[in-house]
Amino acid sequence: KQEVTQIPAALSVPEGENLVLNCSFTDSAIYNLQWFRQDPGKGLTSLLLIQSSQREQTSGRLNASLDKSSGRSTLYIAASQPGDSATYLCAVNRSGAGSYQLTFGKGTKLSVIP
Amino acid sequence: GAGVSQSPSNKVTEKGKDVELRCDPISGHTALYWYRQSLGQGLEFLIYFQGNSAPDKSGLPSDRFSAERTGGSVSTLTIQRTQQEDSAVYLCASSPQPGVSEAFFGQGTRLTVV
Repeated sequence: KQEVTQIPAALSVPEGENLVLNCSFTDSAIYNLQWFRQDPGKGLTSLLLIQSSQREQTSGRLNASLDKSSGRSTLYIAASQPGDSATYLCAVNRSGAGSYQLTFGKGTKLSVIP
Repeated sequence: GAGVSQSPSNKVTEKGKDVELRCDPISGHTALYWYRQSLGQGLEFLIYFQGNSAPDKSGLPSDRFSAERTGGSVSTLTIQRTQQEDSAVYLCASSPQPGVSEAFFGQGTRLTVV
């Protein structure tokens, strides 16, 4: 059974700092990994999708990496801003069994202090 | 519409009543997911539809839960004889090509059973 772990559970940083969020998964048989952000009381917003054959993806100040063999992904946020405050979730799309089920971590709650 | 639409956004129901939650996926998306997010918990997979294939129902917590997807588009999640532990945010997502493309989430339905 696929398990996804995100560390730390919560993180508080001053504005302008660069930061890294971590995601690990137990089964490397995945199609892809997706990073989301969730604002309080809202749904999930997709940030980045990395295919299993890729090593990294970039969007603006965000960079996500994937090391499938070691079961790890990181989300790097450059020059953090108060508007980045949210819960960040990673999800893996496991392969096999004919179902493209997404398995989520519990998230990292980020607070960027002005 | 441009995104995944869920209705109602909030639902308060009495214990023992049945409820129906609706999801309108993005047009043309063949895959549709239902997830549940309880207070302080991660996202729990419920059910996955892909085209005309048999749905993956492996996440449904009990036989009080069922879902259907009509015409490969709109989906309805039904909870019969609701219990207080069913209180949660129910999230729907769709994807054009699962295993390859991003999943896009709706804003969710907040269900409160009193």
